[in-house]
Amino acid sequence: KAGVTQTPRYLIKTRGQQVTLSCSPISGHRSVSWYQQTPGQGLQFLFEYFSETQRNKGNFPGRFSGRQFSNSRSEMNVSTLELGDSALYLCASSSLDQNLVYEQYFGPGTRLTVT
Amino acid sequence: GDSVTQMEGPVTLSEEAFLTINCTYTATGYPSLFWYVQYPGEGLQLLLKATKADDKGSNKGFEATYRKETTSFHLEKGSVQVSDSAVYFCALIEGNYQLIWGAGTKLIIKP
Repeated sequence: KAGVTQTPRYLIKTRGQQVTLSCSPISGHRSVSWYQQTPGQGLQFLFEYFSETQRNKGNFPGRFSGRQFSNSRSEMNVSTLELGDSALYLCASSSLDQNLVYEQYFGPGTRLTVT
Repeated sequence: GDSVTQMEGPVTLSEEAFLTINCTYTATGYPSLFWYVQYPGEGLQLLLKATKADDKGSNKGFEATYRKETTSFHLEKGSVQVSDSAVYFCALIEGNYQLIWGAGTKLIIKP
């Protein structure tokens, strides 16, 4: 099976602009989660979608939003970019294993730089 | 709320040394526990997992045992290689589909 793919891999934006990142999950996976990784804050959960519905959301401002399509592909959007939004954005897709535990598989990430 | 605490790095070892990276957690219920590894410039890879007390997860020579009495999930490997150099993250998940992460431990293996 193909792994999780994220596009673009690298992105440079200017403060005040908006950006959309895309994630294609592993075939058959219906859950997609997004995380932000920075040297200062580490890995932080943004949100999780399952069958086009947001099931869980982290503590990020409303400028961060996401959605999931019927084919399970997901996008996240950040509006009015700030310098502090510079980070590696990771997408993970997951399915239930035999113990009914969600096992998350990560894509390579999108490196966003805000100048 | 739930949390994960890992030993601070970097951890520097010589090739073939024994590795332990400590991880303890706080959770209200019965979480599942994971170790992920991140190589330079890459995303996170699931290394191993354990879903209940006394379970031992293992992969690629790495092992970790779910110890409920000490709320720990320490990562061990008997003989490390230079190729094991990476950042290792301990994490838990409980109920709400959200992984709770430790801060990560950078491992450096010298030949």
